[in-house]
This record gives sequence, C-alpha cells and structure tokens, in this order.
Amino acid sequence: DGGITQSPKYLFRKEGQNVTLSCEQNLNHDAMYWYRQDPGQGLRLIYYSQIVNDFQKGDIAEGYSVSREKKESFPLTVTSAQKNPTAFYLCASSGLINYGYTFGSGTRLTVV
Amino acid sequence: GEDVEQSLFLSVREGDSSVINCTYTDSSSTYLYWYKQEPGAGLQLLTYIFSNMDMKQDQRLTVLLNKKDKHLSLRIADTQTGDSAIYFCADYYTGTASKLTFGTGTRLQVTL
Repeated sequence: DGGITQSPKYLFRKEGQNVTLSCEQNLNHDAMYWYRQDPGQGLRLIYYSQIVNDFQKGDIAEGYSVSREKKESFPLTVTSAQKNPTAFYLCASSGLINYGYTFGSGTRLTVV
Repeated sequence: GEDVEQSLFLSVREGDSSVINCTYTDSSSTYLYWYKQEPGAGLQLLTYIFSNMDMKQDQRLTVLLNKKDKHLSLRIADTQTGDSAIYFCADYYTGTASKLTFGTGTRLQVTL
C-alpha cells in the first residue's frame, strides 16, 4: 500500500546534539512538507519542497535543515541551534492538490 | 497572507450532531479540506470541497460552504465517542504555491 512513513516514532535528544527525523513516501508525490505541532497548538510549517533538489523555508525554519536528494525522501535535521525542539513533528506529501496532503504518523522529539 | 480561524473547543453528547466551524480570508480559495487528528497520530483527510460547491455529504459528514461569508462548516451526525479528536480545516488558493493553510484546530469532546 502507498503511504508516508516517519521514523522513529519517539526520539530523545541531549542538549547540543543534532538529530535527524526520517520521512519516506511511496506515493510518487512531488511535494513534501515538515510541520511542527506543540501541545494545544496548530501546525507550523518548517520547510517544504516542491521538487527534488529544491526546498524553501517555511514560517519557523531557524534551527532546522532539510535535504531533498530523492523524490521519496525528505529528512529533517533538528540542529543544536533550535532552542526549544521538544515537539511533535509531522511530515506530509502532496500530488494533485485537490486531494490535499497525506500525513505521516509523526515523530515525538523530546530533549533530555 | 491567508488566515484560517476555528474555535478551539466543542463538547457534545454522544448521539447528538456536532458542527465545527471555520472561517477563511481569501476569496480565491479553490479547495477546502477537513482533517481529523487523533491523539499522538498524524492528520487524516476526512473530506474536501471544491469552491464551486455549496454542500458535500459523505455518510455522517456534511460540509457546508458559504463563499459569500467565507465560512466552512463540518457537521457530524450521530456523534460517537470515536469522533473525539482535533479537527483542522485547511484551504488552498493559487497564491500559496501549492501549500495549504491550516486552521488552529477544534478539539471535539464527546461525552456520554
């Protein structure tokens, strides 16, 4: 079955470490997105990519980095520059926009 | 930029109908969506409506669109405890480079 997979489901980071969250899709979608969700809040766009080897900053890109070397993959790195990284991270992809986005099941990142 | 607003919380009794409301600001929105998010999970697309439609019905779900007032609603008939979740509306318009704009989400609590 086609879908979008995020891993790991839970991730713990020590202060000062960089961590990378994985997002893979087999839907043949061109566009992919990363969102951050804090408790009781909506979605905030971190980065998005509409085509391989190209990506744009969203509303809260500081302290994050991405790459889009393959159509299927859009990993997100949370760097040590991100001061408050504890959150729920959601990856999404889209093909034809009338079908909206398909979301992964999320990664919960906690700083310990 | 585009703004999508929702009320934060709605409580209904099991068996009653739920109506979740959403307002948006851009009159050139072409597609509008409703997503459901259960605790600790990603967002699941429930339904969407094209801007030239006034209503769309899908089993227990009815979407109403008032373009004049830029108002979207989701009615859930015979609400069940399994409907307890956060509901997000989102819209797409051509000015956003294929990005959806999400509302802040409405938490639906279903009581016995």
